[in-house]
Amino acid sequence: EVQLVESGGGLVQPGRSMKLSCAASGFTFSNYGMAWVRQAPTKGLEWVATISYDGSSTYYRDSVKGRFTISRDNAKSTLYLQMNSLRSEDTATYYCTRGYFDYWGQGVMVTVSS
Amino acid sequence: DIQMTQSPSFLSASVGDRVTINCKASQNINRYLNWYQQKLGEAPKLLIYNANSLQTGIPSRFSGSGSGTDFTLTISSLQPEDVATYFCLQHNSWPPTFGAGTKLELK
Repeated sequence: EVQLVESGGGLVQPGRSMKLSCAASGFTFSNYGMAWVRQAPTKGLEWVATISYDGSSTYYRDSVKGRFTISRDNAKSTLYLQMNSLRSEDTATYYCTRGYFDYWGQGVMVTVSS
Repeated sequence: DIQMTQSPSFLSASVGDRVTINCKASQNINRYLNWYQQKLGEAPKLLIYNANSLQTGIPSRFSGSGSGTDFTLTISSLQPEDVATYFCLQHNSWPPTFGAGTKLELK
């Protein structure tokens, strides 16, 4: 059974950093691209970043370019999202997703507030 | 970015009803359209991929149709466990974009 379990969320002050993790199991992690998707309170879903199966290619939405970094450790079957210079508009539930968004984790809440 | 206009935003229906939810893309996305179900507090679940392919394990009362810019998710006979929010996703063009969602409740 495919499982994606996010961790690392919480409350953080504007301008500070936070790193999310997503532990994958039930499939060969190194064969799949992975992505992060977020959903702000009362808003729709928004793609954040994607990484290729081997980590050689990464893609970001414009609003997070230069602030967020997606990475992966295939030996640990873990996906990461390093978030720097956080803003209030980054407040959202962040979901880890596999490939073409076929499996999703339950999400982790990130609140950016002073 | 491709805009996905989903309708209706809210839907109330009775058990056994046929329910349809629509997504309209702002430009041609071929058949690269997925449908998801999200129950309160749960991870989104893929129902339909590439417009009309049923994901493994999903009941056959769910179906998808459409191509180009207009797509439909149909629940042929609504069941109580189908109460959820449904949303679409286009993955034809970068960046992938989502519909705003349809909240489905029982009448």
